[in-house]
Amino acid sequence: DAGVIQSPRHEVTEMGQEVTLRCKPISGHDYLFWYRQTMMRGLELLIYFNNNVPIDDSGMPEDRFSAKMPNASFSTLKIQPSEPRDSAVYFCASSATDSGNTIYFGEGSWLTVV
Amino acid sequence: AQSVTQLGSHVSVSEGALVLLRCNYSSSVPPYLFWYVQYPNQGLQLLLKYTTGATLVKGINGFEAEFKKSETSFHLTKPSAHMSDAAEYFCAVISGGGGNKLTFGTGTQLKVEL
Repeated sequence: DAGVIQSPRHEVTEMGQEVTLRCKPISGHDYLFWYRQTMMRGLELLIYFNNNVPIDDSGMPEDRFSAKMPNASFSTLKIQPSEPRDSAVYFCASSATDSGNTIYFGEGSWLTVV
Repeated sequence: AQSVTQLGSHVSVSEGALVLLRCNYSSSVPPYLFWYVQYPNQGLQLLLKYTTGATLVKGINGFEAEFKKSETSFHLTKPSAHMSDAAEYFCAVISGGGGNKLTFGTGTQLKVEL
């Protein structure tokens, strides 16, 4: 089975530009998570969805960040406008209610804002 | 809220020596506990998990962990370290409120020396 698929794997963008990160969860999974990893703050949960509905977005840093899940097989995380402090690795992850609480991670999107 | 504390941000062992990575949890309800491994420039991979049942849990690559309620610990061990074990290891707990929401520790970087 294909795992969680993220794109792009690497992105370098200029400050002020819009960034869109994409995620395809594992088929059949009903939970989707977006995490951010930085040296300073470690792994932070930004937002998670259950059955395409956002459940907890308390980790979203500010209004510049938004996430959507239009269907069960696709989610986006947008940053507009981007800032250098947004440079991080963004992980998408998914899990299924009946999977014993195991969360599966994608390979990450490595974002650099210059 | 539930949380985990990883003692020691860096651990160094000799090849063939015992690996011990420490994790203590804080939880008001029975926790679900996990260890993930992250190799350089890669995503997170599940090593093992404890949900219910047997307190000694065996995972991939020869790792195991024991859930000790009396000590609120879930330490990760491997009898004999291999060079390929060099990576960052994260302990994590399912947070209260349901929804499979994982909260991570700050990570332990394992270095294996010849």
